[in-house]
Amino acid sequence: DSGVTQTPKHLITATGQRVTLRCSPRSGDLSVYWYQQSLDQGLQFLIQYYNGEERAKGNILERFSAQQFPDLHSELNLSSLELGDSALYFCASSDAGEQYFGPGTRLTVT
Amino acid sequence: EDQVTQSPEALRLQEGESSSLNCSYTVSGLRGLFWYRQDPGKGPEFLFTLYSAGEEKEKERLKATLTKKESFLHITAPKPEDSATYLCAVRSYNNNDMRFGAGTRLTVKP
Repeated sequence: DSGVTQTPKHLITATGQRVTLRCSPRSGDLSVYWYQQSLDQGLQFLIQYYNGEERAKGNILERFSAQQFPDLHSELNLSSLELGDSALYFCASSDAGEQYFGPGTRLTVT
Repeated sequence: EDQVTQSPEALRLQEGESSSLNCSYTVSGLRGLFWYRQDPGKGPEFLFTLYSAGEEKEKERLKATLTKKESFLHITAPKPEDSATYLCAVRSYNNNDMRFGAGTRLTVKP
């Protein structure tokens, strides 16, 4: 158990819809990272927050957004969903070095 | 741009048959090289961090080494429970994110 929690575990929704994925980092970690992993691609970095502020952006679509709240939990919002957004979404947290990953949310868009 | 290439893509071993996985990287100013293990449908599990050429880390049957251009994950006398995808990632001083390789899928047959 990494200490990072993610909800929900599974999400099935239709194209065009909007969903919110939630992540709670390990106790004491200020950084939260979001990744997307689909079958034909490896782990793709989406975005990083540090203590409530956006720190780095990767290949995140404009339809996707994230935020980190004062209690350090983070949410990833995915809107106008397309079939290609079906993937595993992972959250990771760190203090300064290695990242610890949560169990992921499997999103299926039908 | 930071790049990580892992080889082979897949590796099948007999139980007890030692081997090595390769991670070649190109990065401007290595801040750290990370190895993770990922089981199907689960979040990556942190294994090792290496910071400078010549460094080695060991954990049970796994040993990670680092040179200026690549890292190796040596697996000694593997067991079926070592079957997983092994991911390599790098972090540079220019970026806050981690760049992951595509992984090596290891299967150990009893």
